[in-house]
Order: sequence, then C-alpha cells, then structure tokens
Amino acid sequence: DTAVSQTPKYLVTQMGNDKSIKCEQNLGHDTMYWYKQDSKKFLKIMFSYNNKELIINETVPNRFSPKSPDKAHLNLHINSLELGDSAVYFCASSWAGGIYEQYFGPGTRLTVT
Amino acid sequence: DQQVKQNSPSLSVQEGRISILNCDYTNSMFDYFLWYKKYPAEGPTFLISISSIKDKNEDGRFTVFLNKSAKHLSLHIVPSQPGDSAVYFCAATVFQGAQKLVFGQGTRLTINP
Repeated sequence: DTAVSQTPKYLVTQMGNDKSIKCEQNLGHDTMYWYKQDSKKFLKIMFSYNNKELIINETVPNRFSPKSPDKAHLNLHINSLELGDSAVYFCASSWAGGIYEQYFGPGTRLTVT
Repeated sequence: DQQVKQNSPSLSVQEGRISILNCDYTNSMFDYFLWYKKYPAEGPTFLISISSIKDKNEDGRFTVFLNKSAKHLSLHIVPSQPGDSAVYFCAATVFQGAQKLVFGQGTRLTINP
C-alpha cells in the first residue's frame, strides 16, 4: 500500500532509445509532479498536473512528454534519450489549491549509455 | 541561478547534541518554506514547514527558524539521534495558482554514536 509508487526503479538504456517511467498515487491527491535530481543532487521540478491538466511546464526539452490518463497516474515518456538525461526522476503528489506537503515516490534511476 | 542554497554539503554531530542545518534564499517572493528528509534509495519525506508570516515553528525535536530580513532559515534538531542521519533538503515556494517547490542541494547529516 505504497502511497506514491514508480516503475521501474532502475532503467539502463542506450542513447537514442525511447523510454517511459510510470507513477501512481493512492492518496486521492489531485496534483502530481515530476522532478529531476541531477548529478549535482539538485532536485528540480519538470512538470505538474492538476486533474489531468498541465499546470507547470518548466524549461524541459520537448523530448520529455508527461501524460496523465487520470488524476492518480502521471507517466513520463522520454524520446531520443541522451547521456545528459541520466539522473534520478522523482514523482510526487499533493492536494491542490494551496501550499501542501508533497509526497514523493522512491525515484527511478535512469542511466543512459 | 540557484535561488535556494545550502552551503554545507555535510555535517557531523554527536548523538544527543543539537544539529543545525542552514539554508539561504534569494527570491523575496518566497512565502513558504519546507524541510524534507531523504534516506538513500528513497524519495524525500516532508519534515516541517514555516510560513513567511512566522519566525519559528516547532514540532517535537524539530524547530525551523526564519529570518526574512537575512533571507535565511535554519532547522534545529535536538537531541540528535542516529536515525536522523540522512540528507536534508530545504525548499521554498510561492503559490501562484500552482505549487512550485525550489529545492536547495541538500546537506548530508551524520549523527555519530
């Protein structure tokens, strides 16, 4: 009964491939997020969805495309993977309409070779 | 342009003593600050927060202090316990229709028995 789950936990792939990371939350939250933690350990927001609608879209290459089939799921698809995409990707969720704590998933470590 | 900075990458404290983690920010628009704790191979978990209208918030062993004029906040843990060993992230946000957290790069706290 994990609150925010991500699959896979580890992903190793070659440059140029397309891959997806899945995220699911069972907290009933209506807002979900994707964060990237790079090699310098900075956690930076990439996207946020509220009730399946994109509300935050940071300066992220358009090779990254989030998809929210319903408010409990937010998937991240990455096209034409590059070496610089290697990072840990965290999904998170929270309530909307104010400042609420965000609940994070365990992360997906993506390694592009 | 790192708006939230944690200048100490690591801190080592004796068990039972006080741990003080520091965080500085540059954006005067931030009106809410949060601390997250992260264990290896897990996602960050919320610890404590403070609104910009307050200068102190306390929750058990954890106290966060905010000095708005200095754009500085600190997290005090007393007494420190071995289970507190983790990476601590400071985060700041201003709610503008969506909650966008800006994180510092983290401080690794080690509690020595």
